[in-house]
Amino acid sequence: NAGVTQTPKFQVLKTGQSMTLQCAQDMNHEYMSWYRQDPGMGLRLIHYSVGAGITDQGEVPNGYNVSRSTTEDFPLRLLSAAPSQTSVYFCATGLAGGLDNEQFFGPGTRLTVL
Amino acid sequence: RKEVEQDPGPFNVPEGATVAFNCTYSNSASQSFFWYRQDCRKEPKLLMSVYSSGNEDGRFTAQLNRASQYISLLIRDSKLSDSATYLCVVNSLRSQGNLIFGKGTKLSVKP
Repeated sequence: NAGVTQTPKFQVLKTGQSMTLQCAQDMNHEYMSWYRQDPGMGLRLIHYSVGAGITDQGEVPNGYNVSRSTTEDFPLRLLSAAPSQTSVYFCATGLAGGLDNEQFFGPGTRLTVL
Repeated sequence: RKEVEQDPGPFNVPEGATVAFNCTYSNSASQSFFWYRQDCRKEPKLLMSVYSSGNEDGRFTAQLNRASQYISLLIRDSKLSDSATYLCVVNSLRSQGNLIFGKGTKLSVKP
C-alpha cells in the first residue's frame, strides 16, 4: 500500500499560471484535506472533504479550488498563482467523523511562485 | 488569543535529558488532542493522542488539563533521534475531522 501520495514533489510557477496538485490515497479513508505550511505560521487548512462529492472551505481557501469525484483522489487547483502561495502543501486523510482519528499526511509538494 | 499556542523553542538538550513541552488551547469545548512529530522537510506524523487521564507510550507521556486548557508532552531519556519539531494539535469544532495545529516546538538533542 502506498498510503498517501502527492505529485509533484517540487514545482516552480510564474505569477498568473495555474496548476493542479495531486493527492491520492489507497487507505479507503473518507476524509481528505489540504494544508499549507509556511515558516512561523504552522499548518493551515485550505479545503477539506468528508466524502466523494462533498467539499468545504477551511481557514485559507482563497485562490484554491478542490473537487472530490472519487474516494481516492482530492486534487487542489491553483487558479492564478501568486507569490503569496509559495508554500509547502500537505494532503492528509483520515476516517470521516468521530474523534480521536489519526490523520495520515502525504510527503508534501514544495511550490515556489515567482 | 491564538487557538493553539506553543513555545517555539528551540530546546537544546543533551542525550539522556528529560524535556517537557507545553501547549495551551483557546476553545474550552475542544474534545480531541494530539501531539504530532515533524522531522525536517518531512510530513507530520502522529506521535500520540492525549487523554484526560494522561497517557504514556514508552519514554513519552502526555497530559491534558481541561480546567487550564493546557496540554503537555514529557520526553524522558532523550535520544538523538528525538530531534524534531513537535506539533500540538486540537480538533476543530466546526468539523470534527479538521485539525488546528500549533506552530510547533523545535527540539534538538545533542550528543
